[in-house]
Amino acid sequence: GQNIDQPTEMTATEGAIVQINCTYQTSGFNGLFWYQQHAGEAPTFLSYNVLDGLEEKGRFSSFLSRSKGYSYLLLKELQMKDSASYLCAVLDSNYQLIWGAGTKLIIKP
Amino acid sequence: GAVVSQHPSRVICKSGTSVKIECRSLDFQATTMFWYRQFPKQSLMLMATSNEGSKATYEQGVEKDKFLINHASLTLSTLTVTSAHPEDSSFYICSARDLRGSEQYFGPGTRLTVT
Repeated sequence: GQNIDQPTEMTATEGAIVQINCTYQTSGFNGLFWYQQHAGEAPTFLSYNVLDGLEEKGRFSSFLSRSKGYSYLLLKELQMKDSASYLCAVLDSNYQLIWGAGTKLIIKP
Repeated sequence: GAVVSQHPSRVICKSGTSVKIECRSLDFQATTMFWYRQFPKQSLMLMATSNEGSKATYEQGVEKDKFLINHASLTLSTLTVTSAHPEDSSFYICSARDLRGSEQYFGPGTRLTVT
């Protein structure tokens, strides 16, 4: 079966750095996405990785290792507005998105 | 960037009535649109995939006669919840994939409350 694993909840302090991990087992791989979702809102796109390595975009970076079936989202200089759920999703061989359950990130002052 | 709109953003209806939700890609053509449902504190659940001009593909456990999907053009897909019941109350989100890429662009969602 297809499976995406990420922690259910994480807590971090304002101004700090947090890394949210995602491991996946899917039938084929055509890229991995990270989305941010605030409560009551639709997801918004953060990053897309299809090749191994680190993609940096401002305070957010995303890393992918296809051989390990592993990705992480790194958030730096955390702000209170970063409190949200972060969803990892993999595009499988049929170009269907397989979703993780999401990681709820709580930022404390 | 690509924009997807949904209408209405919120709807309250009585049990037994039907509700139609529209999903539009505003500045790109979407060959494929996806309909998701999300219950509180849960992840997105794919309900169905619709391709322009053909019948939608429903995920296991989703009743196609209850959730009618029409993808009549490259910019519009509709989801009709027929004979709605309180357990259908949820956050319904559509997304669209353009002709070129693999990224999905999400609409803002529709919160349905059935009383």
